Amino acid sequence: EAGVAQSPRYKIIEKRQSVAFWCNPISGHATLYWYQQILGQGPKLLIQFQNNGVVDDSQLPKDRFSAERLKGVDSTLKIQPAKLEDSAVYLCASSPRTGTSGGGTQYFGPGTRLLVL
Amino acid sequence: AQSVSQHNHHVILSEAASLELGCNYSYGGTVNLFWYVQYPGQHLQLLLKYFSGDPLVKGIKGFEAEFIKSKFSFNLRKPSVQWSDTAEYFCAVTTPYNTDKLIFGTGTRLQVFP
Repeated sequence: EAGVAQSPRYKIIEKRQSVAFWCNPISGHATLYWYQQILGQGPKLLIQFQNNGVVDDSQLPKDRFSAERLKGVDSTLKIQPAKLEDSAVYLCASSPRTGTSGGGTQYFGPGTRLLVL
Repeated sequence: AQSVSQHNHHVILSEAASLELGCNYSYGGTVNLFWYVQYPGQHLQLLLKYFSGDPLVKGIKGFEAEFIKSKFSFNLRKPSVQWSDTAEYFCAVTTPYNTDKLIFGTGTRLQVFP
């Protein structure tokens, strides 16, 4: 079974530029998550999709971050314009169904490491 | 807001030593608890999880964790570590507000020397 795919793996941009990350979840997984992991911290959920609908985006800085999952499969996360504090690893994860309480596990991709100069 | 605390930021052990990593959470209601591990150069992956039942949970690679509700703790243990256990370990919790939303601790870096 193929895992969660993310691209690019690394990105260096200057502040005020825009950047986009792509994620392809495990086939058949209905739920997709984007996390931000700043150096020295644990991952923080930015947005959660169930199919192509948003379930939770309470911690997404909506003035500069946007995400979409138009066909309920792959997803893009965009930052425009980027700030220095956006330097982090952006992780995508997927799970087969809503609710980890039933035993669903989130499967993580390798992440995209972003450096904003 | 719910939070997870991992007080051991960096742990250094010799092979065969015993391991215990602390994890405390702040939510007073029903929680689901997880330990994730990230080996060098690899993805985050699930080590073990607790939803209900026996508070002593066994995971992969000989790891176990004990849920102590009165202490709001979910400590990770392994009786004898190996060099291959060198990794970063994250404790996480979900709450009934959103049973999908993993709230992670800051992680503990474990280094095991031969």
